[in-house]
Amino acid sequence: SYELTQPPSVSVSPGQTARITCSGDALPKKYVYWYHQKSGQAPVLVIYEDSRRPSGIPERFSGSSSGTMATLTISGAQVEDEADYYCYSTDSSGNHRGVFGGGTKLTVL
Amino acid sequence: EVQLVESGGALVQPGGSLRLSCAASGFTFSTYWMHWVRQAPGKGLVWVSRINSDGSSTSYADSVKGRFTISRDNAKNTLYLQMNSLRVEDTAVYYCIRDRTGDPPIWGQGTLVTVSS
Repeated sequence: SYELTQPPSVSVSPGQTARITCSGDALPKKYVYWYHQKSGQAPVLVIYEDSRRPSGIPERFSGSSSGTMATLTISGAQVEDEADYYCYSTDSSGNHRGVFGGGTKLTVL
Repeated sequence: EVQLVESGGALVQPGGSLRLSCAASGFTFSTYWMHWVRQAPGKGLVWVSRINSDGSSTSYADSVKGRFTISRDNAKNTLYLQMNSLRVEDTAVYYCIRDRTGDPPIWGQGTLVTVSS
């Protein structure tokens, strides 16, 4: 079955740039979505369709996708950005089956 | 205001059945694909199923295929997930999500399903 691969953890100091990657064979043809989730809370969409930012999401969050890898970039990460981050996409089978990456724990300290 | 409200979560014994509902409001439900996603306690997000806008096409994760059925009633603006032959590993918060190219996905608040004897 189709898989998206994320690093288990990323760590940065406050004010640094955090980059979280997501790799998958179908990404050249499929959009990627990014969510963050803090403990005990529902997921929050931070990027959709590779690079679009929903209203209310700070400009420091940006997304890009090239080839089989998508990247979520947090420019000037803040302590409140510490959370689990998940990428999401769909497979290329024609059945439009969704898949999430395993999640990346972002630590900002 | 766009809103998705899940309901139907409960404690059920292994082998039992449950039907989840997701009531949509504030948007034209019949023009959106819909998904179910779940999250077991302390675990990651897992896609479960999706249905197209008129209900004519569905797909499922391998872990639920043959046991779960997604459906919708566009006249009632409601999405369903019929879950049969439930297993302990189906224990999770279940979220419904609206999906259409060009629009950001919107999630409901989730409903908890607990499968335990």
